[in-house]
Formats: sequence, structure tokens, C-alpha cells
Amino acid sequence: TQLLEQSPQFLSIQEGENLTVYCNSSSVFSSLQWYRQEPGEGPVLLVTVVTGGEVKKLKRLTFQFGDARKDSSLHITAAQPGDTGLYLCAGVRAQGAQKLVFGQGTRLTINP
Amino acid sequence: DAMVIQNPRYQVTQFGKPVTLSCSQTLNHNVMYWYQQKSSQAPKLLFHYYDKDFNNEADTPDNFQSRRPNTSFCFLDIRSPGLGDAAMYLCATRTPYGGSNEQFFGPGTRLTVL
Repeated sequence: TQLLEQSPQFLSIQEGENLTVYCNSSSVFSSLQWYRQEPGEGPVLLVTVVTGGEVKKLKRLTFQFGDARKDSSLHITAAQPGDTGLYLCAGVRAQGAQKLVFGQGTRLTINP
Repeated sequence: DAMVIQNPRYQVTQFGKPVTLSCSQTLNHNVMYWYQQKSSQAPKLLFHYYDKDFNNEADTPDNFQSRRPNTSFCFLDIRSPGLGDAAMYLCATRTPYGGSNEQFFGPGTRLTVL
């Protein structure tokens, strides 16, 4: 059973379109992080959300943490080819060991 | 800049030939992690150190061992690599202080088993 369900797993859209990636769970997380990983490289942290309902913006990327801290979303406005990559959500459960639980990842391709 | 460094970036070994991957960090973080990541999959935690305390994941094969001689360095030893061990191996660090759960990843070592 996957603790963090990430959807969609694959997404290919045209430059300029908007998209949303979802990360859902039945567990409560004390924090949730979004990473972007390019081929042959390690994941790079984009943002950490901690408070229920929190919204953070990073240029054209908007991250939201659910009110109950069980889910999160990443919205990209006017996607560009440079946004192409593997997007991973990862959370630290509110109870138990301080280990990151990863979603399956979303492979995003932005076509020029 | 403070960072997590992994060497080598690419490693080729033969089936059954032991291999060691290394990770160093200048962040002075107490916690270090080793992950295995196969193509288009999420990273899978193998084990982690909290200072010198070693924590093995229950499903990590015995073929995988680790050493942490000091705060800065951590090694992953694969005693007898099989074809199924070909993957990207990621090292990450975290500080337990300040309330942050952020993990900082190195660039990874791509392991090929022939």
C-alpha cells in the first residue's frame, strides 16, 4: 500500500498550459516537501509546507498543504520546457520515525 | 557552498564484484541517508545514521552495508552486486535541529552491473 498517492504519474502538455499535480494520503503529516529531479541528478527541494492550509508560491509554481495536513497540490501556471522533470512529494508522518515517505512521482514533460 | 557530494557519479561493476559508493557533506548534519532509486520510481530508503547510530530498513537486503567513520563521510558497500542492484544511489542529509525535516540530496551515483 502506497502511503502517499501521487497523481498523475505521467503528464505531457504543451508550453503555456497550466497543470496540477496531487499528493494524497489518509495519514497526517507534520510537514510535506516537493522535490524536482532531473535525469541523472538528485532531487532538489522546491518547498516545504508545514501548516494546514498553507500556500506557498515559487514564481509560477503554487504549493498548497491541505487543511488536515493529509494532502498537497502543486500547480504550475504557463508551463515552460524548463519545468520538465520528475516531481516528487515527500512527507514526514506526524507520528512515528522521522523518515521521509515519498510519493511515486509525476513525470512531467512540457513540449515546446 | 555547503553541499552533499557523491563519488563517483557513475560506477560500473561486474556481477558479484564488491563496490563502494561514497558520500561526503559540508553541512555538518547529524543524519545521513542512503536511498536506492530505480528508473522512474521514487527513492527507496535503505538505511540511515543518526550520528553513529545505524538504522537499517527491514527490507534492505543483507548485501547492502554502510559505514560512517565520521560526521562528514558515509559509505555504501554492496558486497555482491546483482543485476537487480543497478540503480541510482542517493545520499541525503538532515539536521534534527530547528524543527526542519528537509533532506538535502547529493547528485547520486549511477551504478551499472555487467
